[in-house]
Amino acid sequence: GEDVEQSLFLSVREGDSSVINCTYTDSSSTYLYWYKQEPGAGLQLLTYIFSNMDMKQDQRLTVLLNKKDKHLSLRIADTQTGDSAIYFCAESGSSNTGKLIFGQGTTLQVKP
Amino acid sequence: DTGVSQNPRHKITKRGQNVTFRCDPISEHNRLYWYRQTLGQGPEFLTYFQNEAQLEKSRLLSDRFSAERPKGSFSTLEIQRTEQGDSAMYLCASSDIRKANTEAFFGQGTRLTVV
Repeated sequence: GEDVEQSLFLSVREGDSSVINCTYTDSSSTYLYWYKQEPGAGLQLLTYIFSNMDMKQDQRLTVLLNKKDKHLSLRIADTQTGDSAIYFCAESGSSNTGKLIFGQGTTLQVKP
Repeated sequence: DTGVSQNPRHKITKRGQNVTFRCDPISEHNRLYWYRQTLGQGPEFLTYFQNEAQLEKSRLLSDRFSAERPKGSFSTLEIQRTEQGDSAMYLCASSDIRKANTEAFFGQGTRLTVV
């Protein structure tokens, strides 16, 4: 079945890099996404990667995709206190409905 | 366009009462999704519409839940005879099927508390 797993918590110091990891099960997923959720708010799309790519960079964000191992990571360079939030990995699954399968989220704590 | 709008933002209701939530998607988006998020978990898919047609429903969507999208614009999600287990954040998202990456934009959510 479709499943997405993430580690639950990551703590870093301001200015360091953060790496959030995710594993997924559906190898036919066309797109993989990273969303950010701040307390009491909805989800904000940070970035996404097409399944035939292995890396995508967008300013401070770098996404790495290892399709063989079904492993996705999000690296945030020069992490700031404003990056403190919950980060969700999501896969598009095998259907083309656009529905997303989310992981349980990784809470990123950035210490000053 | 201000993005996906959901109302109300918060709803407290007594067990057994009916509640209805509304979602206004981004105007040109033809797909609309409902998700449920409980504390400490990621969002779980409930149902989705393409225009006015409801094309898929999750097994999480019990008979007490009904969703509509008349005229293919706004959508409503109704929960009848609410139970404490229905307490959650209900998120709506919309996307444009014409875009290949099916990027979904989320609303702020409606937080339901059943007491």
